[in-house]
Amino acid sequence: EAGVTQSPTHLIKTRGQQATLRCSPISGHTSVYWYQQALGLGLQFLLWYDEGEERNRGNFPPRFSGRQFPNYSSELNVNALELEDSALYLCASSWGGGGETDTQYFGPGTRLTVL
Amino acid sequence: AQSVSQHNHHVILSEAASLELGCNYSYGGTVNLFWYVQYPGQHLQLLLKYFSGDPLVKGIKGFEAEFIKSKFSFNLRKPSVQWSDTAEYFCAVNGLGGTSYGKLTFGQGTILTVHP
Repeated sequence: EAGVTQSPTHLIKTRGQQATLRCSPISGHTSVYWYQQALGLGLQFLLWYDEGEERNRGNFPPRFSGRQFPNYSSELNVNALELEDSALYLCASSWGGGGETDTQYFGPGTRLTVL
Repeated sequence: AQSVSQHNHHVILSEAASLELGCNYSYGGTVNLFWYVQYPGQHLQLLLKYFSGDPLVKGIKGFEAEFIKSKFSFNLRKPSVQWSDTAEYFCAVNGLGGTSYGKLTFGQGTILTVHP
């Protein structure tokens, strides 16, 4: 069974640009989650999508946004990039609903570097 | 709001030593608890999880964890570590309700180095 996949592996942008990161969940999973792993800040929850809808959002500014497509894959968009957005962005997927036995499985991440 | 604290940033052991990594969480309601591991050069993998029932849960590679509700703790243990256990370990909590729904909150991670 294929795991969560993310693309690209690495992304280099300059300040003020926009970045788009992509995630494909495990087959059958309907929920997709995004996390940021920045140096010194640990893993922080960004967004949760389930069945195409945004279900929860972490403490990040609105320039972090995303969407989930009908095939349950997801995009994370970061607008007006700032130097501190440099981080590893992890995507996770689960069977869905955030229910009492929901378990998140993580992809390898996209390393975003903002110059 | 939920929060997680891991007691040690870096633990160094020799092979065959016993391991216990501390994890405490803060949340006012029902929680799911997880330990994830990140081996060098690999992505985050699930080690074990607790939802309900027996507070002693067993995971992969001989790891186990005990949920002590009164202490808000979920410590990870292994009786005898191997060099291949060298990795970073993350404790995570998912509060079941309110703004915590669906959101994993992670501890800061513990780097385990096992010397052969």
